[in-house]
Amino acid sequence: DAMVIQNPRYQVTQFGKPVTLSCSQTLNHNVMYWYQQKSSQAPKLLFHYYDKDFNNEADTPDNFQSRRPNTSFCFLDIRSPGLGDAAMYLCATSRVFSAYEQYFGPGTRLTVT
Amino acid sequence: DAKTTQPNSMESNEEEPVHLPCNHSTISGTDYIHWYRQLPSQGPEYVIHGLTSNVNNRMASLAIAEDRKSSTLILHRATLRDAAVYYCILRDLSSNTGKLIFGQGTTLQVKP
Repeated sequence: DAMVIQNPRYQVTQFGKPVTLSCSQTLNHNVMYWYQQKSSQAPKLLFHYYDKDFNNEADTPDNFQSRRPNTSFCFLDIRSPGLGDAAMYLCATSRVFSAYEQYFGPGTRLTVT
Repeated sequence: DAKTTQPNSMESNEEEPVHLPCNHSTISGTDYIHWYRQLPSQGPEYVIHGLTSNVNNRMASLAIAEDRKSSTLILHRATLRDAAVYYCILRDLSSNTGKLIFGQGTTLQVKP
């Protein structure tokens, strides 16, 4: 089945130690999104790519970066994780901006020790 | 983006219908009403969307008020697997981001 895959499902990192989360998709969608979901909160968009065009949300901290080397893969880099960055990170895709449906991966739960 | 208001939580019995309300009094003419749900420990999944007319699909029905200031997601026969957080989201499909702005959603509990 075509899908959105996130690896790893659980990631533990140390305070200040860079970490990379990955997302891949077999849907061949143009748009890829990264959302952050803290405990008991709703998902919040961090940034997105339309093909290679990157758009950062205004309130996304500089600590968060993203790379999209090709259509299938997108990475979330956290340069110096703080305790407040512990969250579920969700990757989503859509064919185009106006597509009715976004497809979400299962998420990566990040713990910062 | 226009805001939505949903009850924090609702309960239902298994195999009974569930009506999940959403208020969106500031909806604009180009806003579509979307519903997503998030099962425990999973990413959100699309449920249904509509603009003006009521909509049905294999998962649910969406009833939209005539003035579009409110809508109701209807699960015809709730199962235990329907226990999730349900998000009502307004999206302007002509926007240049396509982003979803999630509110707090309604946590649905389904009792056997």
